[in-house]
Amino acid sequence: QSALTQPASVSGSPGQSITISCTGTSSDIGGDNYVSWYQQHPGEAPKLMIYFVSYRPSGVSNRFSGSKSGNTASLTISGLLAADEADYYCSSYTTSNTWVFGGGTKLTVL
Amino acid sequence: QLQLQESGSGLVKPSQTLSLTCAVSGDSMSSGGYSWSWIRQPPGKGLEWIGYFYQSGSTFHNPSLKSRVNISVDRSKNQISLRLSSVTAADTAVYYCARVSNDSFDIWGRGTMVTVSS
Repeated sequence: QSALTQPASVSGSPGQSITISCTGTSSDIGGDNYVSWYQQHPGEAPKLMIYFVSYRPSGVSNRFSGSKSGNTASLTISGLLAADEADYYCSSYTTSNTWVFGGGTKLTVL
Repeated sequence: QLQLQESGSGLVKPSQTLSLTCAVSGDSMSSGGYSWSWIRQPPGKGLEWIGYFYQSGSTFHNPSLKSRVNISVDRSKNQISLRLSSVTAADTAVYYCARVSNDSFDIWGRGTMVTVSS
């Protein structure tokens, strides 16, 4: 299975919105709504931010939102804060009962 | 609140078997019927899914790891185990255990670094 495709880096200024894309295939992202997103700060474990494409776990800010179209999922962060600077990973459950991650996107808050 | 803590051999020689344990605390593994997964992250690189122990007792693993992976659960001890055989330097990584919920990884351990070197 191949990794999902994410941009290596994105950047934005405080208060702005950014979107991170995640492209897969009909065997993963396009197969069902099992897309999730994770935030990882340096030296820390990843944290679940979005599941089932667009659902937020309790405690996650509503500035984080997810969507999907075909084989591409997206994570949008609105009202950027300095604390949002981190690595972001998408993931999808696949039709083969496995998971696959994206390569990760480094978000820089300018 | 459920917490996960990985532990095990931090240094493994090439061709040997890596063994890790994930201790679950704060709740019983048997409640909720959850599945459990292992994920790793080589230094400076992205996340790689290793495999998971489904609530029914079935296990699934990343095809790229072929048959080197063994994941088991001991509910009496509230722990999940990972064994990875025939390791090479490419297996050097931080290894995380995570709970699977809603087809996502909702709770993670802090991770444990494993280095493969002679």
